[in-house]
Amino acid sequence: NAGVTQTPKFRILKIGQSMTLQCTQDMNHNYMYWYRQDPGMGLKLIYYSVGAGITDKGEVPNGYNVSRSTTEDFPLRLELAAPSQTSVYFCASSSTPESAFLYFGPGTRLTVL
Amino acid sequence: GQNIDQPTEMTATEGAIVQINCTYQTSGFNGLFWYQQHAGEAPTFLSYNVLDGLEEKGRFSSFLSRSKGYSYLLLKELQMKDSASYLCAARDSNYQLIWGAGTKLIIKP
Repeated sequence: NAGVTQTPKFRILKIGQSMTLQCTQDMNHNYMYWYRQDPGMGLKLIYYSVGAGITDKGEVPNGYNVSRSTTEDFPLRLELAAPSQTSVYFCASSSTPESAFLYFGPGTRLTVL
Repeated sequence: GQNIDQPTEMTATEGAIVQINCTYQTSGFNGLFWYQQHAGEAPTFLSYNVLDGLEEKGRFSSFLSRSKGYSYLLLKELQMKDSASYLCAARDSNYQLIWGAGTKLIIKP
């Protein structure tokens, strides 16, 4: 049982490049989330999903896209990378929205130059 | 608006007790969470309060007052490994988590 896994761990992008951050969970959780964490700031919700085929915007969705074709996978797409997207990205999952427990992936540290 | 306030940084001595405070303003309320985050790592769950009062879990305790929009995390018998950031988060009426910026706790020998 690996929990929540994310790839890559680190990435440097040039302005305007695109990339996909991968997130997979093996706990059969319906609820999955993408957060970004900037230094000295709280976690900000980018997108979330309540099940396969259903996604919704969080607090800071601009510049990102997501898809949820399976229960296990919830990739985050950056289409035109900008320096403002330099951050640490965490994927998380939970069994229900009422659950007290969020399982976090190890994070992806992204730098856009 | 929705807001979480907690101190940016605190320093304490190994073996001592420290209290980290958190105040929150949310649209509705469905629980208060504390997470621990070591540098370069993901947050890990510490505690959850939804009713007023104190929840104790080993060396860690968390308190909630819903009428005051206030919580604290109490860490006893501090160990060097407790050096980390402690994140306070409140869940609103839509079950979305609003996160504080975190309190960096520095433990000195």
